[in-house]
Amino acid sequence: DVKVTQSSRYLVKRTGEKVFLECVQDMDHENMFWYRQDPGLGLRLIYFSYDVKMKEKGDIPEGYSVSREKKERFSLILESASTNQTSMYLCASRTTSWEQYFGPGTRLTVT
Amino acid sequence: EDQVTQSPEALRLQEGESSSLNCSYTVSGLRGLFWYRQDPGKGPEFLFTLYSAGEEKEKERLKATLTKKESFLHITAPKPEDSATYLCAVRALTGGGNKLTFGTGTQLKVEL
Repeated sequence: DVKVTQSSRYLVKRTGEKVFLECVQDMDHENMFWYRQDPGLGLRLIYFSYDVKMKEKGDIPEGYSVSREKKERFSLILESASTNQTSMYLCASRTTSWEQYFGPGTRLTVT
Repeated sequence: EDQVTQSPEALRLQEGESSSLNCSYTVSGLRGLFWYRQDPGKGPEFLFTLYSAGEEKEKERLKATLTKKESFLHITAPKPEDSATYLCAVRALTGGGNKLTFGTGTQLKVEL
């Protein structure tokens, strides 16, 4: 069964803190994605990775960076968290036929 | 720029009352249209992929159809457990076909 896990379900951080969100998939997928989901705005792509150490910016990369050192793990980094980064963060990986499988999400609150 | 619009934003049905959700899209070179179901506090769950106009896919009480401008998710005799937000997304040639563009979803509530 397809499995994508995320390191935390809920996270509360202070403005200016460095935040790490981790995602692991067990399906040997090459492609992984980070989205944020906000009411009324839908899912927006932050970054994606098509191979180990390879990454590309999505639609809203500002304020974020990513790391992919191993095929199964894709990390999202908020270098200096701000209140406008309070959101639900969703990680996904995809099959060759472009079916994306999502993790349960991390609800991040920045105060 | 690729655009995906879903309607209605919210829909309330009685159990057994069939209806349809709409996903209209404007893209450059459609490479796939995807439907997902999302329960509160969870990640989206993949339902269907449609590739070309006229294609249909079915799963239990759900049937997805595709035309050149829109897709419909038909729900036949819905049950309370069908309550969820339904998202559609498109993959297009724009940006090299490397991403999905999502609509904002239709929140479905099925009542007894």
